[in-house]
Amino acid sequence: GAGVSQSPRYKVAKRGQDVALRCDPISGHVSLFWYQQALGQGPEFLTYFQNEAQLDKSGLPSDRFFAERPEGSVSTLKIQRTQQEDSAVYLCASSSSHPYGYTFGSGTRLTVV
Amino acid sequence: QKEVEQNSGPLSVPEGAIASLNCTYSDRGSQSFFWYRQYSGKSPELIMFIYSNGDKEDGRFTAQLNKASQYVSLLIRDSQPSDSATYLCAVNRGGGFKTIFGAGTRLFVKA
Repeated sequence: GAGVSQSPRYKVAKRGQDVALRCDPISGHVSLFWYQQALGQGPEFLTYFQNEAQLDKSGLPSDRFFAERPEGSVSTLKIQRTQQEDSAVYLCASSSSHPYGYTFGSGTRLTVV
Repeated sequence: QKEVEQNSGPLSVPEGAIASLNCTYSDRGSQSFFWYRQYSGKSPELIMFIYSNGDKEDGRFTAQLNKASQYVSLLIRDSQPSDSATYLCAVNRGGGFKTIFGAGTRLFVKA
C-alpha cells in the first residue's frame, strides 16, 4: 500500500480484556517496528521484526504483550488482560532500509477503562 | 540519564525567525540521527536524517551533528506558523538496532 495502515484507529477496552492491534506496512518493507507513545512523551520501542523474524522484543513491558508477523508482512500486537497503564497510542512503523528512518502509521489509541 | 535528551519547551519564536532545536545522546555507538515532526494528534513524520559530522541542509531545515560532543541540532529558517509542532530527535546504532526517541521539543511559531 501507499502508507502504513493501522487498525483500529481507536480502541476502548475494559480492564482485563484482551486486545489485538493490526499493522499493515508499506509493501516491500522488510523492517517493522512497534512503539508505544504516552501523552507528552516520545515513542518508546516495543519490538522489531525483520521479515517474519522478531529480532528484538526487549521493549515489551511484560509477558502480557505479544507480537507476531507470521508471513513477513502484516503484524499484530496483542495485549492480554489489559491494565489502565496500557492506555497509550501504539505506533507501527516500517522501513525498507534501516538507516533511512521510518514511516509511521496513524497509530491506534488504546484506552483501558 | 535518558539515552536521548531534549528540552521539552515550549520554544516560542516569531514568524520568519530561526528556530533552533537541540538534542544530546548518551550512546557513543550511535550512527544515524533523525528529526521527526509530530503535529498534535498525528503520528511522527521524518523530516531529516544525518550520519556524518557537520551540517546537512534541506530547504529551510538544517541538521547539525557533532559526534564528539554527542550533540544534534535542527535549525528551521524562516519559521512559519505551520511549523508549530513537537520535534522528536531520534538516534540509532545502525542496521538491526532499534531507534531511540527523545521526549520531543514543542515549538510554537507566532504569526
